Amino acid sequence: DSGVTQTPKHLITATGQRVTLRCSPRSGDLSVYWYQQSLDQGLQFLIQYYNGEERAKGNILERFSAQQFPDLHSELNLSSLELGDSALYFCASSVGQGGNEKLFFGSGTQLSVL
Amino acid sequence: AQSVTQLDSQVPVFEEAPVELRCNYSSSVSVYLFWYVQYPNQGLQLLLKYLSGSTLVKGINGFEAEFNKSQTSFHLRKPSVHISDTAEYFCAANPSGTYKYIFGTGTRLKVLA
Repeated sequence: DSGVTQTPKHLITATGQRVTLRCSPRSGDLSVYWYQQSLDQGLQFLIQYYNGEERAKGNILERFSAQQFPDLHSELNLSSLELGDSALYFCASSVGQGGNEKLFFGSGTQLSVL
Repeated sequence: AQSVTQLDSQVPVFEEAPVELRCNYSSSVSVYLFWYVQYPNQGLQLLLKYLSGSTLVKGINGFEAEFNKSQTSFHLRKPSVHISDTAEYFCAANPSGTYKYIFGTGTRLKVLA
């Protein structure tokens, strides 16, 4: 158990809908990272937050947004969903701002857009 | 642009045989390098990391990796694999001065009895 909690584990929804994925980092970790894993593109970095502030941005679509709350949990919001958004979404956390640190991954949220 | 390339999408190998999973990175600055393993239906777990110093890095479960700056490679090796090593392995790089961990597309290791 990595100590990173993601909910829900599975999510099935329809095109055009909006969903929220939630992540609770390990106790004491200040950074949260979001990744999208799909068969054709591998593990794609979406965004990182450190202590409530956006730290780094990757290939995140404008339809997607995220935030990190004062209690350090994070939410990833996906809107106007398309079939291609179906993927496994991982959250990871680390103690500091990243760089040379170990990332601890949650077990992911499997999103299926029908 | 920085990138990580894992040349093999799948590697089948017999139990107790040695294995090498290849990883090359592209970066104009120095990088920190990592190998992660993903078992079925689980998140990724760190196997080992290279930050600086000795180019041979030992990790968990008997794995090791060698950093080769001239070849921009960070190949993962294990002298004798077990059935339980069947998993997907990801190489990752974090270019110095950034906060972005860039992952390769993964190599699926299948250990055969």
